[in-house]
Amino acid sequence: RKEVEQDPGPFNVPEGATVAFNCTYSNSASQSFFWYRQDCRKEPKLLMSVYSSGNEDGRFTAQLNRASQYISLLIRDSKLSDSATYLCVVSGGGSQGNLIFGKGTKLSVKP
Amino acid sequence: EAQVTQNPRYLITVTGKKLTVTCSQNMNHEYMSWYRQDPGLGLRQIYYSMNVEVTDKGDVPEGYKVSRKEKRNFPLILESPSPNQTSLYFCASSSYKVNEQFFGPGTRLTVL
Repeated sequence: RKEVEQDPGPFNVPEGATVAFNCTYSNSASQSFFWYRQDCRKEPKLLMSVYSSGNEDGRFTAQLNRASQYISLLIRDSKLSDSATYLCVVSGGGSQGNLIFGKGTKLSVKP
Repeated sequence: EAQVTQNPRYLITVTGKKLTVTCSQNMNHEYMSWYRQDPGLGLRQIYYSMNVEVTDKGDVPEGYKVSRKEKRNFPLILESPSPNQTSLYFCASSSYKVNEQFFGPGTRLTVL
């Protein structure tokens, strides 16, 4: 089983749509979870951290299910500017510095 | 402005010619890391450093060296580059709690 697995997409959605991304991870010892956003040919940037209680930031909601080792990201009312690749990131569970990145899910929001 | 800088941004070189990609951060972060990103493989960690003089291997360390003599700098060294090291490289830094990692703009390396 791959360490961090994401549906690669692409997800092609109209403006205003709600879209959900899922991510599974294999290391039950992982303690930190994040969603990053990466625009084409640019560096990844933190979108949000993911907490056990779930967290929301405007149109974005992240959820964590430790029992199922599953992370999700929900984007409501999609904007054209949301078009990007979304990376699921999980700590390796060992040394604090070891982060494992998913391959990313590509989102394309159309007018 | 808080930032991570990398140099060079683009580099074309030949097999076997030693090169160094520099990385510097001005946020006094303890943690720094190098990644490579390849199509279909995503971001993979090469080396990371928890603090000065402390470095550890990531998932794909073969063919690379790093050093952390100063807190702000974390150079990536390719002693004898090979074509399979052609990739997009990112440096990143964060505070010791590993919260948000700040990435540099990337270095696109081509080894002929």
